Amino acid sequence: DIQMTQSPSTLSASVGDRVTITCRASQSISSWLAWYQQKPGKAPKLLIYKASSLESGVPSRFSGSGSGTEFTLTITSLQPDDFATYYCQQYNSNPWTFGQGAKVEIK
Amino acid sequence: EVQLVESGGGLVQPGQSLRLSCTGSGFTFGDYAMSWFRQAPGKGLEWVSFIKSNAYGGTADYAASVRGRFIVSRDDSGSIAYLQMNSLKTEDTAVYYCTRALWLDLLVHPFDYWGQGTLVTVSS
Repeated sequence: DIQMTQSPSTLSASVGDRVTITCRASQSISSWLAWYQQKPGKAPKLLIYKASSLESGVPSRFSGSGSGTEFTLTITSLQPDDFATYYCQQYNSNPWTFGQGAKVEIK
Repeated sequence: EVQLVESGGGLVQPGQSLRLSCTGSGFTFGDYAMSWFRQAPGKGLEWVSFIKSNAYGGTADYAASVRGRFIVSRDDSGSIAYLQMNSLKTEDTAVYYCTRALWLDLLVHPFDYWGQGTLVTVSS
């Protein structure tokens, strides 16, 4: 199975900050990576697919980059609605696996 | 508006069975692969099972942790996906989500819509 490792696990930030979350795969997954946002008690929401493609309806302050084994999710100007947990997921090969999550907290 | 609604969760004892349903609306259900994920209390996300559209054989795949115990199926006429869970274990306790994905010989667009989730509790 492909292992996905996110860093940091927790991040404290303020509204307006630029935030970057990293996701590393244990082997190359090309660009088959997605990012999700999850709020407490809610289902995950797809933000980014194929490493850098913005899902329809997702604000442009979210962006993704990377290929191979290293990927980043960037939020250019953190908004109050962005405080949540973010997961990366590889869909290069089954079983599709997730990172452990990165919680973005209010500083 | 695309919607996925899960049902069928509840409290069961170890060794018992449960069937989850996922009803889709607002899209052509038969065009999409359907997948189940779960999230144990306070934990991360775990993929459980996947079933392709009938155009791609309707074949299914499972996580190793549930293979041989869980069965995924679909009824395109009713826009419903099912997850039959047998021989349930305490470690199967989780919120179960159904999702859709676009499969065209490969996963071209992953899990863009999710249901609200249904809680399965396995406890004696």
